[in-house]
Amino acid sequence: DIQMTQSPSSLSASVGDRVIITCRASQSISNYLNWYQQEPGKAPKLLISAASSLQSGVPSRFSGSGSGTDFTLTISTLQPEDFATYHCQQSYSTPPTFGQGTKVEFK
Amino acid sequence: QVQLQESGPGLVKPSETLSLTCTVSGGSISSYQWTWIRQPAGKGLEWIGRIFNSGSTYYNPSLKSRVTMSVETSKNQFSLKLNSVNAADTAVYYCARDGLGGGDQFDYWGQGTLVTVSS
Repeated sequence: DIQMTQSPSSLSASVGDRVIITCRASQSISNYLNWYQQEPGKAPKLLISAASSLQSGVPSRFSGSGSGTDFTLTISTLQPEDFATYHCQQSYSTPPTFGQGTKVEFK
Repeated sequence: QVQLQESGPGLVKPSETLSLTCTVSGGSISSYQWTWIRQPAGKGLEWIGRIFNSGSTYYNPSLKSRVTMSVETSKNQFSLKLNSVNAADTAVYYCARDGLGGGDQFDYWGQGTLVTVSS
C-alpha cells in the first residue's frame, strides 16, 4: 500500500493567516492526490482532486499543488469556517489510502 | 442533490457480524461505484472496499477475509458485512460515492454511523 504522510499533524493559526499543509507519498503518484476537509462530527468533504482541481463551490482561497511524491494544500486567508481537519488521499493505486490528517486549530 | 444515509446497529458484540446499509437518494445507484470507509475515534480514514453497480467488488486486502459487500439496485441500496469483529473495528463507518467512476474521488458521503464493538 502507498503510505501518505501529512505534516504538521496539527497547527494553530488565526483568521487571516496563510496556512500550508503538506502531504508526502511513499512512492510517486503522479497527480492522483485528493484533499478533503472534515469538520468535527461531520463527514469529509472533497475540496480538491487531481492535486489542483478545485471542486465546484469550494472557495478560491483553497489551492493545491504538487506532483510525484510531494503535495501542498494552501489556504490563502484563513476564515473562521476553515478550522477543521484536512486529509490527503491518493487515488493512484488500490487500495486508496489517506494521510493521518492535519487539524487546523484556532490560535 | 445526491444524499447517502447509513443505517444499522450501533452496537455489535465481539466475534459477531457488523451489518450496515447505505441508502442512496437523489440519483441512481446504477451509474457509479460505491465505497465504504471507516474512521476510528481520533484517527485517520481507512478505505474498506468498493462495489460496482454490477455487483462486482474490490476489498482492502487488510480486511478482505472478513468483508462482504452487496448491492440492491431496485432499492438504491448497498450494504457492508464485516464478520468476526473485535474492538479494533469500533469506528464511524461512512458510505460514499466514487464520483469519477473508479477514480477513487469520493464526492458524496453519508453522515456516518458509529459502530461500537463491545460485549
